Parts: sequence; C-alpha cells; structure tokens
Amino acid sequence: KNQVEQSPQSLIILEGKNCTLQCNYTVSPFSNLRWYKQDTGRGPVSLTIMTFSENTKSNGRYTATLDADTKQSSLHITASQLSDSASYICVVSDRGSTLGRLYFGRGTQLTVWP
Amino acid sequence: EADIYQTPRYLVIGTGKKITLECSQTMGHDKMYWYQQDPGMELHLIHYSYGVNSTEKGDLSSESTVSRIRTEHFPLTLESARPSHTSQYLCASRDSNEQYFGPGTRLTVT
Repeated sequence: KNQVEQSPQSLIILEGKNCTLQCNYTVSPFSNLRWYKQDTGRGPVSLTIMTFSENTKSNGRYTATLDADTKQSSLHITASQLSDSASYICVVSDRGSTLGRLYFGRGTQLTVWP
Repeated sequence: EADIYQTPRYLVIGTGKKITLECSQTMGHDKMYWYQQDPGMELHLIHYSYGVNSTEKGDLSSESTVSRIRTEHFPLTLESARPSHTSQYLCASRDSNEQYFGPGTRLTVT
C-alpha cells in the first residue's frame, strides 16, 4: 500500500531555532517528492520539489533532502520565524498514471513561539 | 502566487440545502482537482478533471458532483448537505511541473 508518513505530528520551537521534519514513504514507482506549507485556513503552497536524482534542494531558509534508497526525506528550517508557524505536508507522486497520482502525508504542525 | 480562486471562503448552511462551491483558475490548466481535508488529516482526492467535459471520481467516495464546462471553471455541488459534509474543500490545478491550490472553502453543515 502506497503511504506517506510524517513525524513528528506536531512541534513547538522558539523563534530563531532550527528544526527538522521527517517524511518516510512507501510509494512506488517514485516520481518526485514535494514539501508544501499550509497556513491555517489556506491552501498548501509549494516549497520544494525533488526528483529521484536530486539529494537536496533549498528555498531560502528551507532545505529539503531526499534519500531515494531508504525512501526518506527531511525538511530543515533554519533560523525559524513566527511566520513559519504552519502545517508542513510531504507529498509523493508516482509514475503509475498519466496524472502522476499524489500521495499526501498528514503534515507536521509547527508552532514557533517568540 | 497561483491564480486559483475559491468562493465562498466560509459557508455555514443548514441540513438539506443545496450548495455549490466555486473554483476558477486563470492559468489555462487542463487538469483540475477537488480535495477534502479534515483537521490534522491528509488531503483526500474526491474529483478530478482532464479538461472540458471530462470528470472522474477520486479515491474518497463523495456525494458531491462536479462539472467542467469551461477550462477555467470547476464547480462542486452538494444536492443535499448533511453534517457529515462538514470539512475543508480545496481546489487545485496542475501544469507539467507543479500543482497549485486554491485557498479552500470551509464548509459547516448544521
């Protein structure tokens, strides 16, 4: 069964600190992995997208890593800001259909305190 | 920021009412999607469309229906709302590289 598991479920950190969110997946065949940020009451917004051959990708203070062999990804947030408070969703796409079906994790709810 | 819009953003309605959630995008994307999301849970695909006059049901069974008469417009309709339909509904469209989400409609059925 194709699945995407994220940990931790929730995380509280102080402003300025770093944190790392984890994503494990069993989706096969694998096409790409995306990290989205979803603010409360809003739709998800893409942060990074990585294909099989990419190990790391950065977007400002966000750095995503991918280990396609172990089927693990992480999202590292550097020098957190209050505006980083949101749910971070890991999404994996397969190559099994013309639509490239997306498998969603439940997200990690990050809260940044001042 | 993606040019995909949803209205209304919030809706509180009584049981048995008919409702239509609007979704429109100005990017010319053929592929559009409707997802249902409950708090703390993953997004579930309920409908998708390849293009005009093409609609398919997604993974999660839903009593809603959709239509795609124009490329830019993908409305979702509930003929008779029930409390079990209370949820957040997210519309999305896709190009070859990325999927873009609308801001969502938070539906509450009392």
